Amino acid sequence: GAVVSQHPSRVICKSGTSVKIECRSLDFQATTMFWYRQFPKQSLMLMATSNEGSKATYEQGVEKDKFLINHASLTLSTLTVTSAHPEDSSFYICSARGLQRGALRASTDTQYFGPGTRLTVL
Amino acid sequence: GDSVTQMEGPVTLSEEAFLTINCTYTATGYPSLFWYVQYPGEGLQLLLKATKADDKGSNKGFEATYRKETTSFHLEKGSVQVSDSAVYFCALTTQGGSEKLVFGKGTKLTVNP
Repeated sequence: GAVVSQHPSRVICKSGTSVKIECRSLDFQATTMFWYRQFPKQSLMLMATSNEGSKATYEQGVEKDKFLINHASLTLSTLTVTSAHPEDSSFYICSARGLQRGALRASTDTQYFGPGTRLTVL
Repeated sequence: GDSVTQMEGPVTLSEEAFLTINCTYTATGYPSLFWYVQYPGEGLQLLLKATKADDKGSNKGFEATYRKETTSFHLEKGSVQVSDSAVYFCALTTQGGSEKLVFGKGTKLTVNP
């Protein structure tokens, strides 16, 4: 249980275009999802926290108009990188905090991570 | 603010060697502590966790004990395998706080046959 998927796993786009990345909790409901960015050989940098049905909370220094986050349901959050530029190339990872649903249980104090999306902007 | 400090890598070991990756933390309140592992080209996977003092998390032969007196959560494994080669991240969340995970910088482990 507690599986999080991301789509796409890799994307290459031209500078100036927008790219949408999906994050889904497959077998549990996630009231809170997190978006991270990871630069090569470095740790994860939290970009924003999104709660289902409300606006995302962005970390200091993260442009909310450039990185649009939508958390429309308890199993789906999307990150849209608008007007992408080469410096936006990175590994984007989402995570989800669990909520017990029926017989499936995901610990509410644990974040479960997706496999990541490699974005390359040409 | 809350922070996690883990030993700088990279760490290179031979198969069946003993592994220790040190992790210490600074936090207000009573944090939950985690070790995550990231295999090449993949996202993070939860390896183990501990939610209160003296708890021991364990998984796949890895262990870590929550030591409040030394504010540490060192990762150990008695006999590493080549397949353990990955980057290991120590992290914490503060209970009742912002729910954010605070990560250490990661330690790259390479195990040679």
